[in-house]
Amino acid sequence: AAGVIQSPRHLIKEKRETATLKCYPIPRHDTVYWYQQGPGQDPQFLISFYEKMQSDKGSIPDRFSAQQFSDYHSELNMSSLELGDSALYFCASSLGGASTDTQYFGPGTRLTVL
Amino acid sequence: DAKTTQPTSMDCAEGRAANLPCNHSTISGNEYVYWYRQIHSQGPQYIIHGLKNNETNEMASLIITEDRKSSTLILPHATLRDTAVYYCIVRDSDSWGKLQFGAGTQVVVTP
Repeated sequence: AAGVIQSPRHLIKEKRETATLKCYPIPRHDTVYWYQQGPGQDPQFLISFYEKMQSDKGSIPDRFSAQQFSDYHSELNMSSLELGDSALYFCASSLGGASTDTQYFGPGTRLTVL
Repeated sequence: DAKTTQPTSMDCAEGRAANLPCNHSTISGNEYVYWYRQIHSQGPQYIIHGLKNNETNEMASLIITEDRKSSTLILPHATLRDTAVYYCIVRDSDSWGKLQFGAGTQVVVTP
């Protein structure tokens, strides 16, 4: 079965640069979630989209923005990168955005900021 | 505030059942209990979820107490590939479904 696709899988950036992470949900899924997992930490919710509209927002820095496009893929844009942004970034998708809809995660993008 | 409490770690012998407890004493009547696991730096993997009744699928069984204040995830025959961090998550029914990961249980399956 098709899974969530994330690209790139690895990304290395310098401080103050920008980065764009992409997420392609499971076909027919209309909801996308973004999570950040710092070294030795548990995943933390950043933001979610349902039917191309932002549905919920967590502890996402103002330097980050995201959107969901008409084909339901999503992009997380990160500007003025800081060393502390180095983390794994996971995208998850679900059919529907309710608390009863199971989320399926992608393999993640490992971002390293030097 | 954390909605769930899990042991920090536990060991399990290969081939034996692994029973992972989770306390969620403040759970509301319409909140589901979800279990995910994360194998070293991979994306979290969905295992099972339930509301009131016990649930079973090809991966595991979920036993929820009658008062719903705790649950147990059962891996019937643990293998080395089951070594992972296991997260018990109570999903907030008022939210748009975000998962709030707490400190899960590091399970190590040994030969």
